[in-house]
Amino acid sequence: DSGVTQTPKHLITATGQRVTLRCSPRSGDLSVYWYQQSLDQGLQFLIQYYNGEERAKGNILERFSAQQFPDLHSELNLSSLELGDSALYFCASSDNRNSPDGYTFGSGTRLTVV
Amino acid sequence: AQTVTQSQPEMSVQEAETVTLSCTYDTSESDYYLFWYKQPPSRQMILVIRQEAYKQQNATENRFSVNFQKAAKSFSLKISDSQLGDAAMYFCAYRSVYNSKLTFGKGITLSVRP
Repeated sequence: DSGVTQTPKHLITATGQRVTLRCSPRSGDLSVYWYQQSLDQGLQFLIQYYNGEERAKGNILERFSAQQFPDLHSELNLSSLELGDSALYFCASSDNRNSPDGYTFGSGTRLTVV
Repeated sequence: AQTVTQSQPEMSVQEAETVTLSCTYDTSESDYYLFWYKQPPSRQMILVIRQEAYKQQNATENRFSVNFQKAAKSFSLKISDSQLGDAAMYFCAYRSVYNSKLTFGKGITLSVRP
């Protein structure tokens, strides 16, 4: 167990639907990152939150949004889903004190859009 | 913007032999961090080794070591005495000292032959 908890582990939904992915960071970590891993694109950075505030934005579609709550858990909302949104979505956390440590990753949510 | 390139999509190694995975990156920064992550079939992202750019000494973690060539912007991973459990996808990643976003290469799939 890495300390980063992602739910659900698997999600199957239809095109046009909306889903919410949840992430609880490792204890003490203030930063949460979301990444999308698809077969042809590798790991793509979506968005980062630090202590409730958006810190950095990557290749995140307008149909996607995220937030980090006061208890530091984060949710990634995906709407108007398309077949191409099928991917593994990772959450990671860090203490963001500019240490040389990498992230701690969750085990991912496998999203399948049918 | 920083980029990370892993030009070999797949490699294979005989059990107990040594294999080197290549990675190059592009940055205009002088200080940064580099990482290798392992993603086994379970999909969990596991930190293998990290290197701080200001350190000339190559990082080593048990059977894993890196060859960091700063001038050439090269960061290869050497796995000695390869084991069946080393079979996985390996990602090279870059992180600036100014922010905590990780930029990943597309990964390389390593298979280990018994």
